[in-house]
Amino acid sequence: SQELEQSPQSLIVQEGKNLTINCTSSKTLYGLYWYKQKYGEGLIFLMMLQKGGEEKSHEKITAKLDEKKQQSSLHITASQPSHAGIYLCGKYNFNKFYFGSGTKLNVKP
Amino acid sequence: EAQVTQNPRYLITVTGKKLTVTCSQNMNHEYMSWYRQDPGLGLRQIYYSMNVEVTDKGDVPEGYKVSRKEKRNFPLILESPSPNQTSLYFCASSLAGVYNEQFFGPGTRLTVL
Repeated sequence: SQELEQSPQSLIVQEGKNLTINCTSSKTLYGLYWYKQKYGEGLIFLMMLQKGGEEKSHEKITAKLDEKKQQSSLHITASQPSHAGIYLCGKYNFNKFYFGSGTKLNVKP
Repeated sequence: EAQVTQNPRYLITVTGKKLTVTCSQNMNHEYMSWYRQDPGLGLRQIYYSMNVEVTDKGDVPEGYKVSRKEKRNFPLILESPSPNQTSLYFCASSLAGVYNEQFFGPGTRLTVL
C-alpha cells in the first residue's frame, strides 16, 4: 500500500542480534497494527498501538508509535530462528484496512 | 476453538468457471474482510463487511463479489475467474472494524489457468 511504507524490505541477521523494522504512514496515524506471517501461511497478530508514544512488548518484541512522525518501529532483541518470517504493519483508514509492503526476516543460526 | 476457516485451501481452476471460496468465523465478529496477497504487491483488501447485509469495496474489488447473509459467513465469489486472479487469498474477522485486531484464516491458494 502506498499509505504505509516499510523498511527494510528484507533483513538477514545472525541469531542473537537485535534488529529494527520501521513503518511510516503517509497520512495521520490513528492506530497501527503489527502482524507476523510465516511464509505462505496466515497472519498472526502481534501488537496494536493506539496512542502517540505508546510502547508495547511481547516476549522479545517491542513496538513503539510516534504519532508526530507518523511512524512505528518494531524492535526484536536477541533474535532467534523462530522470529523468521514476514512482518507487516497495517492500519485502518475509515473502515478499510491497509498493509505495508512487509519486511522479510531471516535469522541465521 | 476460536478460529476463521476457509475452504478450499487449494484450488486450480480454468478461466471463466465460477467459483466460491467460503469463509466462516465462530467468534461472533461483526467485521469481516477478504485480502489477496501477491508477490511485489503485498496484501490488499478486496471487500469488507461491517455487519450482516453491509458490504463495501476495498482497494481491489474488480472481478469479485461478496455477500454477508449471516454474521458468521462471508463467501468470496469469482463469477468469471481470470489468470490475473491467481493469488493467495485470506479471510479475516474482527470484533468491530476500527481499533480491533483482525484474526486471519489459513489462506486459499487459487490458480486460474
